[in-house]
Amino acid sequence: NAGVMQNPRHLVRRRGQEARLRCSPMKGHSHVYWYRQLPEEGLKFMVYLQKENIIDESGMPKERFSAEFPKEGPSILRIQQVVRGDSAAYFCASSPDRDAGYTFGSGTRLTVV
Amino acid sequence: GQSLEQPSEVTAVEGAIVQINCTYQTSGFYGLSWYQQHDGGAPTFLSYNALDGLEETGRFSSFLSRSDSYGYLLLQELQMKDSASYFCAVTLRSNFNKFYFGSGTKLNVKP
Repeated sequence: NAGVMQNPRHLVRRRGQEARLRCSPMKGHSHVYWYRQLPEEGLKFMVYLQKENIIDESGMPKERFSAEFPKEGPSILRIQQVVRGDSAAYFCASSPDRDAGYTFGSGTRLTVV
Repeated sequence: GQSLEQPSEVTAVEGAIVQINCTYQTSGFYGLSWYQQHDGGAPTFLSYNALDGLEETGRFSSFLSRSDSYGYLLLQELQMKDSASYFCAVTLRSNFNKFYFGSGTKLNVKP
């Protein structure tokens, strides 16, 4: 049973470009969570999704950031018009239901140059 | 908002015991979790406390005192591979899907 798969592991974007981060949850998991980690800091919650629904997006910046978890395929975190401050590690986690513990993926390290 | 405090860095020798403390300020506390993260790696779950007392899992134990808003992670028989960052994280009664993480404690294990 493969774990939570995130790709790419590393992503470099120039300022103003778009970044797309993908997360495939563990088999049988229909709940997905995205967190952001700045260097030397803890993870900060961004968004919680179930298949085709956004349940909680209270941690998402109001502009440029969006997330989806379609019926088929991975969850996508999309950052438009990236800025240097978006440089961080983005972690995805999944769980089989809302009361269960998470399993984290290995993250995507985004660098904006 | 929620705030968690833990020491930024701790150093210990192989074979020793180390305790990493975490104090928190939250409204509607539900539980305290601990995660380990190696450099460049994913956070991995270590333990969880919702009730006061000690939870033991092999070499790692975690303690919670709800009245003191305090918990700790105890690592025994330290090994070099335990060098990593350790994060405490709280969940709230209003939404236990969401973790609020501390800034992490970097543990350096020396031979």
